[in-house]
Amino acid sequence: DQQVKQNSPSLSVQEGRISILNCDYTNSMFDYFLWYKKYPAEGPTFLISISSIKDKNEDGRFTVFLNKSAKHLSLHIVPSQPGDSAVYFCAASYGQNFVFGPGTRLSVLP
Amino acid sequence: GAVVSQHPSWVICKSGTSVKIECRSLDFQATTMFWYRQFPKQSLMLMATSNEGSKATYEQGVEKDKFLINHASLTLSTLTVTSAHPEDSSFYICSAQQGGGEKLFFGSGTQLSVL
Repeated sequence: DQQVKQNSPSLSVQEGRISILNCDYTNSMFDYFLWYKKYPAEGPTFLISISSIKDKNEDGRFTVFLNKSAKHLSLHIVPSQPGDSAVYFCAASYGQNFVFGPGTRLSVLP
Repeated sequence: GAVVSQHPSWVICKSGTSVKIECRSLDFQATTMFWYRQFPKQSLMLMATSNEGSKATYEQGVEKDKFLINHASLTLSTLTVTSAHPEDSSFYICSAQQGGGEKLFFGSGTQLSVL
């Protein structure tokens, strides 16, 4: 049973437009959520996170929204740039437990 | 941000030999380190969780005798792939969690190729 789902395996967006990556979770114990970006043959790098007590966190071009009642979070990237092309992993955690989603491959087209 | 160094980044070995991968937290003390495996076009698969000074906790299906994990200090964890076989070829990634912290910091990964 997948506790963290990213239902879109891939997403293509035109440069300059908004990219929206979605993530759903099932375990209500999760209280902290993170997004990681991963290039091929590299480890994931931390992008942005949000605590369950908030519903929005913004950092530059990246904004994460959390809807606790729907157990849904999303990552917005605006404007999208070609360098944003990567695989994005959503992760949910409580304590030492981290569960990753399967990832969404974002392609930003010039 | 915090830095996690993983070494080597790339290793080729013969079938039957053992390979050791190191994961170091350079500027913080990592009370917990995690080891993952990633297959092409798949998510990170958690292999084991290690807490400094205690035995690692392995995920179901991961052979503890094959993938030996040692977390002897607060800044170093090692993964040894023993008697490697071609099916062990994969991308292995470590991550570290600072004591009391909420974020995970990842190493750059190790591409293992077993001939």
